[in-house]
Amino acid sequence: KQEVTQIPAALSVPEGENLVLNCSFTDSAIYNLQWFRQDPGKGLTSLLLIQSSQREQTSGRLNASLDKSSGRSTLYIAASQPGDSATYLCAVRQFNKFYFGSGTKLNVKP
Amino acid sequence: ETGVTQSPTHLIKTRGQQVTLRCSSQSGHNTVSWYQQALGQGPQFIFQYYREEENGRGNFPPRFSGLQFPNYSSELNVNALELDDSALYLCATPGQNNEQFFGPGTRLTVL
Repeated sequence: KQEVTQIPAALSVPEGENLVLNCSFTDSAIYNLQWFRQDPGKGLTSLLLIQSSQREQTSGRLNASLDKSSGRSTLYIAASQPGDSATYLCAVRQFNKFYFGSGTKLNVKP
Repeated sequence: ETGVTQSPTHLIKTRGQQVTLRCSSQSGHNTVSWYQQALGQGPQFIFQYYREEENGRGNFPPRFSGLQFPNYSSELNVNALELDDSALYLCATPGQNNEQFFGPGTRLTVL
């Protein structure tokens, strides 16, 4: 059974720092991997999607990489801002099932 | 805006009752997935519907059931509610590249 783990569970950084969030999965037979942002009590906002054949995707200050063979993905956030404070979740798709990690709760201090 | 809407926003039920949650998509996509998210956890996949048929299921008991209608709106039904069913319930539809787009969720509280 696919298991997705995110480290760290929580992170607090001063504004302006570059940071890396980690996501690992146990079964490399995935269709794609998606990163989301979730604000408290809200739904999920899609940030980046990486297909299994791709190595990375970029959107603005965000860059996500995928190493399928080692079962790892990282989300890099450049020049963090207080508005980036949220929980970040990664999810892998395997056939018609989707598996999420428990998220990294990010707090960016002004 | 994802174009995915859910109703109601909040719901309070008591143990043993039944509940129906609704989801619709502006794009009227033929695939919808439902998730349960307990407090402090990531979403857990409940099931997916494709063209009105269940097309993949997570580790949830049969008292969690669904429907998808010809207009591709969807319902999640939960029978015999338990306290542990208290959670945020999310639905999602796929985008052009098979990414998942989520609705805002329904917060269910079981007392």
